Amino acid sequence: GQNIDQPTEMTATEGAIVQINCTYQTSGFNGLFWYQQHAGEAPTFLSYNVLDGLEEKGRFSSFLSRSKGYSYLLLKELQMKDSASYLCAALDSNYQLIWGAGTKLIIKP
Amino acid sequence: ETGVTQTPRHLVMGMTNKKSLKCEQHLGHNAMYWYKQSAKKPLELMFVYNFKEQTENNSVPSRFSPECPNSSHLFLHLHTLQPEDSALYLCASSQDRDPYNEQFFGPGTRLTVL
Repeated sequence: GQNIDQPTEMTATEGAIVQINCTYQTSGFNGLFWYQQHAGEAPTFLSYNVLDGLEEKGRFSSFLSRSKGYSYLLLKELQMKDSASYLCAALDSNYQLIWGAGTKLIIKP
Repeated sequence: ETGVTQTPRHLVMGMTNKKSLKCEQHLGHNAMYWYKQSAKKPLELMFVYNFKEQTENNSVPSRFSPECPNSSHLFLHLHTLQPEDSALYLCASSQDRDPYNEQFFGPGTRLTVL
């Protein structure tokens, strides 16, 4: 079966760095998305990776290793507004998005 | 108004009621989606419309009935729901059905079935 695994919840301190991991098992692979969802709000697109390596976008970076079926989202210089759920989703060989359950990130002062 | 809007934001209904959820996108997109989001579970894709035509129905029970009168509007008609249908229902849109396109989500309708 197809599966996305990511931690249910993480806690980090304002100003610090946090890495949210995502592992995927899919039939084929055509890329991986990260979305951010604040409580009670719409998910919003953060990144898309299809090639191995790290892509940086301001304070947020996303990494992909296709051989390991692994991705992570790296958040630097954490701010209170980064408290949200982070959703990982992989695109399988049929171009269907397989979603993870999301990681709730709690930022403490 | 911009982006993707959904109404109502909250809905409480009994199992014998009939209600409808509405989604509207102001982005000029051609593909629209309904998702179900339950607590601590992955997003579940329910229906996909591309250029007003339904292209996917992911084994959704018939008590959920979608309608797409035009590329900007999407409805989800609800009839004789069950308590386990209580969840956040998210609408999304994208430029077209190209899977690499970013999806833009609405804020969702929080549905409670009593």
